[in-house]
Amino acid sequence: DIQMTQSPSFLSASVGDRVTINCKASQNINKYLNWYQQKLGEAPKLLIYNTNNLQTGIPSRFSGSGSGTDYTLTISSLQPEDVATYFCLQHSSRYTFGAGTKLELK
Amino acid sequence: EVQLQQSGPEVGRPGSSVKISCKASGYTFTDYVMNWVKQSPGQGLEWIGWIDPEYGSTDYAEKFKKKATLTADTSSNTAYIQLSSLTSEDTATYFCARGGPFAYWGQGTLVTVSS
Repeated sequence: DIQMTQSPSFLSASVGDRVTINCKASQNINKYLNWYQQKLGEAPKLLIYNTNNLQTGIPSRFSGSGSGTDYTLTISSLQPEDVATYFCLQHSSRYTFGAGTKLELK
Repeated sequence: EVQLQQSGPEVGRPGSSVKISCKASGYTFTDYVMNWVKQSPGQGLEWIGWIDPEYGSTDYAEKFKKKATLTADTSSNTAYIQLSSLTSEDTATYFCARGGPFAYWGQGTLVTVSS
């Protein structure tokens, strides 16, 4: 099974900061990598699919990049409503989620 | 608009079973598999398995092969997960999520295992 290592586990940033979250796969996942945002008590929301495709309705400050085993979610200018936990999901071979990054405001 | 509406919270005794439903609307139910995901309290997400509603075929993560049974009713556009032989480890929120993959999610169903 493919393992996903997500970092950091916790992130504190200020409004307007550029924020990056990383996921590393245990093997090449050929860009089959999605990013999700989950707020307390809610279901995960798809932000980015297949590495760098912005889901409809998601603000353009969210972007994704990567290839092979290494992938990154970037928030270009952090907004207060972005406080949440973020997960990656590989769907190259079955499905594995990253452990999550809890993002808080400094 | 795609919607996945899950059934309400469940309380199960240790050793018993519970069955959760996920009613789909806004798309053709048989066009996509339905996944199920577990989120333990304060923890991350685990994929349980999927069901293809058109054929009834299923695939399970190894960890859940003896724990979960996935079914689907195409007449009511509803997917189900049954969790058996409940233990405290099964206390969690369970989500359905449409294939595509995982673009649309139900609101989650909390299962509490308690005597």
